[in-house]
Amino acid sequence: DGGITQSPKYLFRKEGQNVTLSCEQNLNHDAMYWYRQDPGQGLRLIYYSQIVNDFQKGDIAEGYSVSREKKESFPLTVTSAQKNPTAFYLCASTPGLAPGELFFGEGSRLTVL
Amino acid sequence: GESVGLHLPTLSVQEGDNSIINCAYSNSASDYFIWYKQESGKGPQFIIDIRSNMDKRQGQRVTVLLNKTVKHLSLQIAATQPGDSAVYFCAENRAEYGNKLVFGAGTILRVKS
Repeated sequence: DGGITQSPKYLFRKEGQNVTLSCEQNLNHDAMYWYRQDPGQGLRLIYYSQIVNDFQKGDIAEGYSVSREKKESFPLTVTSAQKNPTAFYLCASTPGLAPGELFFGEGSRLTVL
Repeated sequence: GESVGLHLPTLSVQEGDNSIINCAYSNSASDYFIWYKQESGKGPQFIIDIRSNMDKRQGQRVTVLLNKTVKHLSLQIAATQPGDSAVYFCAENRAEYGNKLVFGAGTILRVKS
């Protein structure tokens, strides 16, 4: 089945550690996105990538980094510089740049201990 | 996730009744709107979308209404079922930001049997 796979589903991290969240899609979509979801708030865009080897900062990029070495993969690293990393992280993709449905993964919940 | 939905508005309906979930958007120039359903601990699922050149669009058991005069969007669910219980949120496409979807915080729908 085509879709977006995020891993791990749950992750615990000690303060000061970097962690990387995986996102893989087999939809052949060009654009991929990372969102952060906090209680009582809408999804906020962290980073997005329209093509391989290119990505742009979203609204809350500080403390995060990404790479897009392959079309299918868009991993997100939550660095120790992110002051409040505990959140639910969602990866999404779209076929291209035209407005349309975002296809979401099942999310990764990061908890900083 | 489990903590998504704290402090969100809640709509409680009886099973079999119709539900209406409302959303106010911010930019009169937004040209595309979308509704998502999110169950606890899962990624958002597409429900229905509508472009700004339309006032109404119907799907299976769902209808989206767009009132551009007052910048208001609504989602109507007919014959609400227990499986409809979730957080629902709308998003508007901001073309001036390179076709970026801006998400609302969401509304909790609780269906009573």
